[in-house]
Amino acid sequence: GAVVSQHPSRVICKSGTSVKIECRSLDFQATTMFWYRQFPKKSLMLMATSNEGSKATYEQGVEKDKFLINHASLTLSTLTVTSAHPEDSSFYICSALARTPLETQYFGPGTRLLVL
Amino acid sequence: AQKVTQAQTEISVVEKEDVTLDCVYETRDTTYYLFWYKQPPSGELVFLIRRNSFDEQNEISGRYSWNFQKSTSSFNFTITASQVVDSAVYFCALTGVYNFNKFYFGSGTKLNVKP
Repeated sequence: GAVVSQHPSRVICKSGTSVKIECRSLDFQATTMFWYRQFPKKSLMLMATSNEGSKATYEQGVEKDKFLINHASLTLSTLTVTSAHPEDSSFYICSALARTPLETQYFGPGTRLLVL
Repeated sequence: AQKVTQAQTEISVVEKEDVTLDCVYETRDTTYYLFWYKQPPSGELVFLIRRNSFDEQNEISGRYSWNFQKSTSSFNFTITASQVVDSAVYFCALTGVYNFNKFYFGSGTKLNVKP
């Protein structure tokens, strides 16, 4: 099946620093990728849709200047948490949309971010 | 409005018991997809099944089976003869056919299978 990777899997940073998370589709091209956030014992919440070659579409309530998304190629999208604060600590999951053989989102393994 | 409800927050069973996870959805779309995902403690979401709203046939895959009832807007998931490795959080999700990017996840059901 399709594989999506995320790097890093876990990151601890100091408050005020920026953190970049990479999402790669390993065996298929994905013109569309998605970024989700999951709080402990909670469901996934869509943060934004990342489209290759264009600006990301953010969900209501998500600060676009806080969470910078770049979809640089057909296999890579990055999420940068700028000037991170403890409340940004969360589990971030990306997914990539595969269009063949069936349109399906494949999820990455997630990145645990802890901001101290 | 699009919404997925998983009323069971947590279920505990003893190994070899059957267990059913409930999923009720709301949608204005006439055509949509329903999904089940498994999230083990590692955090990675594992795709289990996708069902098109046109197809109301129940599906069985090994110990897993799914009961799609469009009349009651439900898409329940049954694990037969549960095993400890089935312990995880299970999410039901909904997306529209014409707005595939928007996934609506339920709040998840944590399944604990005890030996």
